[in-house]
Amino acid sequence: EAGVAQSPRYKIIEKRQSVAFWCNPISGHATLYWYQQILGQGPKLLIQFQNNGVVDDSQLPKDRFSAERLKGVDSTLKIQPAKLEDSAVYLCASSFLGLTGELFFGEGSRLTVL
Amino acid sequence: TQLLEQSPQFLSIQEGENLTVYCNSSSVFSSLQWYRQEPGEGPVLLVTVVTGGEVKKLKRLTFQFGDARKDSSLHITAAQPGDTGLYLCAGVSGGGADGLTFGKGTHLIIQP
Repeated sequence: EAGVAQSPRYKIIEKRQSVAFWCNPISGHATLYWYQQILGQGPKLLIQFQNNGVVDDSQLPKDRFSAERLKGVDSTLKIQPAKLEDSAVYLCASSFLGLTGELFFGEGSRLTVL
Repeated sequence: TQLLEQSPQFLSIQEGENLTVYCNSSSVFSSLQWYRQEPGEGPVLLVTVVTGGEVKKLKRLTFQFGDARKDSSLHITAAQPGDTGLYLCAGVSGGGADGLTFGKGTHLIIQP
């Protein structure tokens, strides 16, 4: 079974530029999550989708971050404009049973904002 | 947002020693998960505990969920270098409205 795929693995941009990350969850997983993990800390939930609907985006900085999952499968997370404090690893995860089940994480996309 | 505090933040011990790491909160969780994360990879689920007082064993790892479902511990017996990693606990609130809340993790290094 293929795991959660994310791209790009690494991205370096300057502040005020934009960036987009892509995630393809495990086939059949209805729930998709985007987490932000700053170096040395645990992951922080940015947004949770159930199929193509948003379940929780309370911690998403909506003035600069946006995410979509148009067809209920893959998802894109965009940051525009980026700030220095956005430097982090952006992890995508999916699950079959939602929060009561196991979350399967991708390898993450490491963003460095200069 | 419910907070999970993990301790210690860093732990470096010799191979063969035993250790315990803790995950504490003032909030009640319907379930709690433990993940291990290695550098450059995403977290991988180790165990889910659901019932207060529950104890689960995974080879040399023993997980316990507190009676009040506010805290949990992970005990490793005879630690090995392969146990090195970031151990994260994550809790699910009763209503699930806050999503899966992660602690900051315990960075564990097992020296050969």
